Amino acid sequence: DQQVKQNSPSLSVQEGRISILNCDYTNSMFDYFLWYKKYPAEGPTFLISISSIKDKNEDGRFTVFLNKSAKHLSLHIVPSQPGDSAVYFCAALQIGNQFYFGTGTSLTVIP
Amino acid sequence: DSGVTQTPKHLITATGQRVTLRCSPRSGDLSVYWYQQSLDQGLQFLIQYYNGEERAKGNILERFSAQQFPDLHSELNLSSLELGDSALYFCASSPDRSWIWSTDTQYFGPGTRLTVL
Repeated sequence: DQQVKQNSPSLSVQEGRISILNCDYTNSMFDYFLWYKKYPAEGPTFLISISSIKDKNEDGRFTVFLNKSAKHLSLHIVPSQPGDSAVYFCAALQIGNQFYFGTGTSLTVIP
Repeated sequence: DSGVTQTPKHLITATGQRVTLRCSPRSGDLSVYWYQQSLDQGLQFLIQYYNGEERAKGNILERFSAQQFPDLHSELNLSSLELGDSALYFCASSPDRSWIWSTDTQYFGPGTRLTVL
């Protein structure tokens, strides 16, 4: 049962434009949502998180938006840079339970 | 470099065999997490240990087991291996000093690629 879904396996964006990565979830009890970035041959690295009581969190070029009514979150990267090319995983956590990860979206930023 | 080390980097074995994957967490981190990444399932949480004790269990098969030792390193044991067990296995660590899950950033190791032939 996939509780966290990333329906777009890949995304291509021009350098300097906005990248929007989407994630849907099914469990309304999740407390936190996180985004991880993964380069080939490396482990994932934490990028940004958001608590379920907020609807937006910003960190530099990265902003995560949470729409609880739609059970949807998105990661915006502005402006996109070639070094952002990686696989992005969204994850959801229910305190006292476990992490659930999406299947990832591969972002390619074209110079 | 996250500070989390995993050995071996690659492992090739046959169906029915048993393997052990090893993880050393970052210095001072008490929690260790194991994940499996496969092409069709994405990243799946397997199990978490905190200071030697099992804390949370995810989608871990009965053929798999893990433990965390007094020096905080952890091992993931995979037995009766099947072709479908071929995947990248990641270990992550975090400080996680509270007894409940926190949102401490997890630091991932580089992974062990397991190929079952």
